[in-house]
Amino acid sequence: ETGVTQTPRHLVMGMTNKKSLKCEQHLGHNAMYWYKQSAKKPLELMFVYNFKEQTENNSVPSRFSPECPNSSHLFLHLHTLQPEDSALYLCASSQPDRIDEAFFGQGTRLTVV
Amino acid sequence: AQKITQTQPGMFVQEKEAVTLDCTYDTSDPSYGLFWYKQPSSGEMIFLIYQGSYDQQNATEGRYSLNFQKARKSANLVISASQLGDSAMYFCAMREGRNDYKLSFGAGTTVTVRA
Repeated sequence: ETGVTQTPRHLVMGMTNKKSLKCEQHLGHNAMYWYKQSAKKPLELMFVYNFKEQTENNSVPSRFSPECPNSSHLFLHLHTLQPEDSALYLCASSQPDRIDEAFFGQGTRLTVV
Repeated sequence: AQKITQTQPGMFVQEKEAVTLDCTYDTSDPSYGLFWYKQPSSGEMIFLIYQGSYDQQNATEGRYSLNFQKARKSANLVISASQLGDSAMYFCAMREGRNDYKLSFGAGTTVTVRA
């Protein structure tokens, strides 16, 4: 257990579905991150939130919509995804500007059919 | 351009032996940090070791050591006395700038430890 919990662990969704990924941490961190890990590709940073404010959107398509209602929770809302969006989505948290002390969750394995 | 290069897609190592995982990086920023993470089949990324660009000595954490060769821009991970539980994917990553929150990851190396 790293202190960062992601649910669900596995998700299969159709291209017309709407679903949400959840990330929760009680480490007292104020920065949270979404990463995408596709097969045979390096991890890609998607979004960064510092103190609930989005500070980074790494050119992510609008079919991915993040939400950070408080410093402990981060969501990734998904709609009209494509099969190439199938990947492991990892959440991480840290203190702002302390990525060297980031903790990662176990990820959500997403399959788009 | 690729910031982190890991040239070994997969490696086999005998239990109790040492293994070296290669990592080269590319940056023009004089201040940067290098990380190694372990990703077991369960999915989470587990932080192993960190080396700052200004650190004079190579980082060590238990059975993990980082062979930092600044002039060659390499940051190889050495795992000594391999254990079956070391079987996992290993990622090298870099942070550029002293306070940047972004990590650039390599493609990873799969390590399989044989009994």
